[in-house]
Amino acid sequence: GAGVSQTPSNKVTEKGKYVELRCDPISGHTALYWYRQSLGQGPEFLIYFQGTGAADDSGLPNDRFFAVRPEGSVSTLKIQRTERGDSAVYLCASSRGVAGAKDTQYFGPGTRLTVL
Amino acid sequence: AQSVTQLGSHVSVSEGALVLLRCNYSSSVPPYLFWYVQYPNQGLQLLLKYTSAATLVKGINGFEAEFKKSETSFHLTKPSAHMSDAAEYFCAVRSNFGNEKLTFGTGTRLTIIP
Repeated sequence: GAGVSQTPSNKVTEKGKYVELRCDPISGHTALYWYRQSLGQGPEFLIYFQGTGAADDSGLPNDRFFAVRPEGSVSTLKIQRTERGDSAVYLCASSRGVAGAKDTQYFGPGTRLTVL
Repeated sequence: AQSVTQLGSHVSVSEGALVLLRCNYSSSVPPYLFWYVQYPNQGLQLLLKYTSAATLVKGINGFEAEFKKSETSFHLTKPSAHMSDAAEYFCAVRSNFGNEKLTFGTGTRLTIIP
C-alpha cells in the first residue's frame, strides 16, 4: 500500500478485556513506532522496532501493554485487562530506518480505542 | 531529556491573515525539529523539518519555520491563511543520534475565520 494502514479504525471494548491493534507499515520500512494520543494531547511514544526487535520500549506504561513484529513488517499492539484510562487513539508510524536527518516517520490514521 | 512547548492551544486567524504558531524546544543536544498537521480523523502529516542545514525551512502548503538557537524556538508561519489550513498542528523534537522517538507538544488547534 501507499501508506501506513491500521486496523481496526475503531475498537470498543469492555473493561478487563483483551485487545489487539494492527499496523501495516509502508513496504520496505524497517523502523516502526507506536504512539498513544489521548484527548487534547500530543502523541506519546510507546515503543519502537528496528526490524523484528524492540529497540526502545521505554514508553510502554505497564506490563499490560505488549507489542510484537515477528517478521519485521506487520506489528500488533496487545493490551491485556483493559482499563478505562487506556481509551485513546493509538497511532503507528514507520520509517526507512536510516540514520540521521533523512529518516522521516510516516503516520497511519490511528485506531480509536474506547474502553467502557 | 527533550521537550517542546507549544504556546496557545487554540489560535484563530482571519482568512488571508498571517498564521503564527509558536514552538519552543528544550534539548541537551542539537535536535531535529518537526511540524506535523493533523486533519480531523486523519493521521499526522509532515509539514516540514529542521535537520541542521538551513535555519529557514520551507514546507508544504506554503508553510515555513525558522530555527532560532538563541531563542530555542521553531515557530511555524504562513503569510496568508486559507480555510483549508484549519487543523491541529504539532511541533515535535527528536535526537540527532539516530532513529529515535519523536517527542510532541500538546498541539495547537488552528481555526480560520471566513
